[in-house]
Amino acid sequence: QVQLQESGPGLVKPSQTLSLTCTVSGGSISSGTYYWSWIRQPAGKGLEWIGRIYTSGSTNYNPSLKSRVTMSVDTSKHQFSLKLSSVTAADTAVYYCAREDSSGYNWFDPWGQGTLVTVFS
Amino acid sequence: DIQMTQSPSSLSASIGDRVSITCRASQSISGYLNWYQQKPGKAPKLLIYAASSLQSGVPSRFSGSGSGTDFTLTISSLQPEDFATYYCQQSYSTLTFGPGTKVDIK
Repeated sequence: QVQLQESGPGLVKPSQTLSLTCTVSGGSISSGTYYWSWIRQPAGKGLEWIGRIYTSGSTNYNPSLKSRVTMSVDTSKHQFSLKLSSVTAADTAVYYCAREDSSGYNWFDPWGQGTLVTVFS
Repeated sequence: DIQMTQSPSSLSASIGDRVSITCRASQSISGYLNWYQQKPGKAPKLLIYAASSLQSGVPSRFSGSGSGTDFTLTISSLQPEDFATYYCQQSYSTLTFGPGTKVDIK
């Protein structure tokens, strides 16, 4: 079955750019009617959708983060990536990648295990 | 953005109890509502999609209902592995999640 795994630095300094990659295994990133999404969760708090990318490269971002987010996809490596610029302490969170249904109901399944990113000077 | 609320924010229940969690949207979202279970230190797990469709592999004690603005997740007989936090998520417009409902042991 499809599995996702996040990777990237666990510490980022304020004002710098957070960069994460999600590697998809057990299935093709190009198969099926799916988007590939990023979601984050500050410690002890709720979930926030960051944005999605399709294998064509088309993207949609949460308006609250749109000015700072860039997503990309590398189908040859079965990977998609997130860049979040000008980070502050408010961006400290566990970041998840997930497969998102694109047939209409936009559920997330499966999810990666998550990676903690701390913004710390 | 569509705002999601959940009630209660937490509840205590016993094994075998019937548990219901409510999710309310700030405007009608038709049936564009999904439910997740999250255990500490783990990623959320999809339980219910499209308001009432059970995800493959999820026990039948979980069920979802509702449409428009009001939705319910029901656990018919609470099991030890069900103690967790539950989130709803709307997909009618920019994706948003509810604040969560924590279910713990009475």
